[in-house]
Amino acid sequence: EPEVTQTPSHQVTQMGQEVILRCVPISNHLYFYWYRQILGQKVEFLVSFYNNEISEKSEIFDDQFSVERPDGSNFTLKIRSTKLEDSAMYFCASRKDAGETQYFGPGTRLLVL
Amino acid sequence: GESVGLHLPTLSVQEGDNSIINCAYSNSASDYFIWYKQESGKGPQFIIDIRSNMDKRQGQRVTVLLNKTVKHLSLQIAATQPGDSAVYFCAEMGGFGGYNKLIFGAGTRLAVHP
Repeated sequence: EPEVTQTPSHQVTQMGQEVILRCVPISNHLYFYWYRQILGQKVEFLVSFYNNEISEKSEIFDDQFSVERPDGSNFTLKIRSTKLEDSAMYFCASRKDAGETQYFGPGTRLLVL
Repeated sequence: GESVGLHLPTLSVQEGDNSIINCAYSNSASDYFIWYKQESGKGPQFIIDIRSNMDKRQGQRVTVLLNKTVKHLSLQIAATQPGDSAVYFCAEMGGFGGYNKLIFGAGTRLAVHP
């Protein structure tokens, strides 16, 4: 069964450093998402992406965040200058059609020191 | 603002019992609801979904009930097994929130005891 994959599984970085989180969505999916989950809290929407552009972004997704689909398979989330409060699990998700279920990857645990 | 929330943060059940996890939503315009299971250190895993034109949907050992009158969603797990131990989230889509994102509830931890 096709799955969303994410790399790395864990990332430790120093405050102020740039990080890039990578995702490979399910191959025939057209809609892509990033969510984050701070430890012990609920999953929060960050950004949605369709047709090579951002469809919607949350208040969390400020100028330090960016997304890119550099080729036909990868979908990346970049944090330009990480802050301590960026420490969280970051989940990528994808779906095939509008209004359909989103399928999540296993997540990247980001720790900012 | 609009939100999706859960009545019980933790539910403990005996193996073999039936489990019921509840969710209240406040966005009456939402029309698509999903239950996800999240095991420790993993991503949310799709369990079952339901659209607002339905009241009930059944899967394998799971049933989702939707009561639009009181804006209530529940997940029933039959013959709960130790492997069902996880955090369960309800999520909504549509309505004022649009179809670009899922809005998650706070989660309920299900603990299954042998």
